[in-house]
Amino acid sequence: EIVLTQSPDTLSLSPGQSATLSCRASKSIWSGYLAWYQQKPGQAPRLLIYDASSRASGIPDRFSGSGSGTDFTLTISSLEPEDFAVYYCQQYGGSSSFGGGTKVELK
Amino acid sequence: QVQLVQSGAEVKKPGSSVRVSCKVSGGSFNTHEITWVRQAPGQGLEWMGRIIPALTLTNYAQKFQGRLTITADQSTATAYMEMFSLTSDDTAFYFCARSPSTGGPGFTYASSWGQGTLVTVSP
Repeated sequence: EIVLTQSPDTLSLSPGQSATLSCRASKSIWSGYLAWYQQKPGQAPRLLIYDASSRASGIPDRFSGSGSGTDFTLTISSLEPEDFAVYYCQQYGGSSSFGGGTKVELK
Repeated sequence: QVQLVQSGAEVKKPGSSVRVSCKVSGGSFNTHEITWVRQAPGQGLEWMGRIIPALTLTNYAQKFQGRLTITADQSTATAYMEMFSLTSDDTAFYFCARSPSTGGPGFTYASSWGQGTLVTVSP
């Protein structure tokens, strides 16, 4: 089983700042099969990025994903008020698993 | 627009079992991966398992092997998650989710999600 470790646990930022979230895998993820989701309280997760760097339908271009192998990054270029939420990475290159999440909170 | 509608909240006793349903509408069912994910209160997401109905293919996270069964009824476009020998640690929201595209037997991501079903395990 591939274990995903997300960092930091919490990111305290202000609107307009950029956010960089990390997801590290315990072994290389085949074909970069990694997705990112956003979850707000009381809601189901929402797909943001798939295949490491492809934006899902309707996702603003301030969200971008990068990485390969064992190290992946989600970048939010300029935080909007609605971006404060918890973000999860998921690998699907070998079975599937989620990271522990990073909370982006208002500073 | 694909919609996934799950069954309502459940309260169960320790040692019992629970079955949660997930009805898919507005899109095809058989060839898409349906995944089950759970989230304990205040905790992160946990991948439980998946099914591709047309391939009668199921996979489970090692943690749930032997205690979880995922099935699908193609005639009603409904997937089911059944968990046995419940303990208080199984208290969580359970989500079903569907992949956006059809494909082979490989694992994939989810673009459409159900609303979640709260399962509470309490004496």
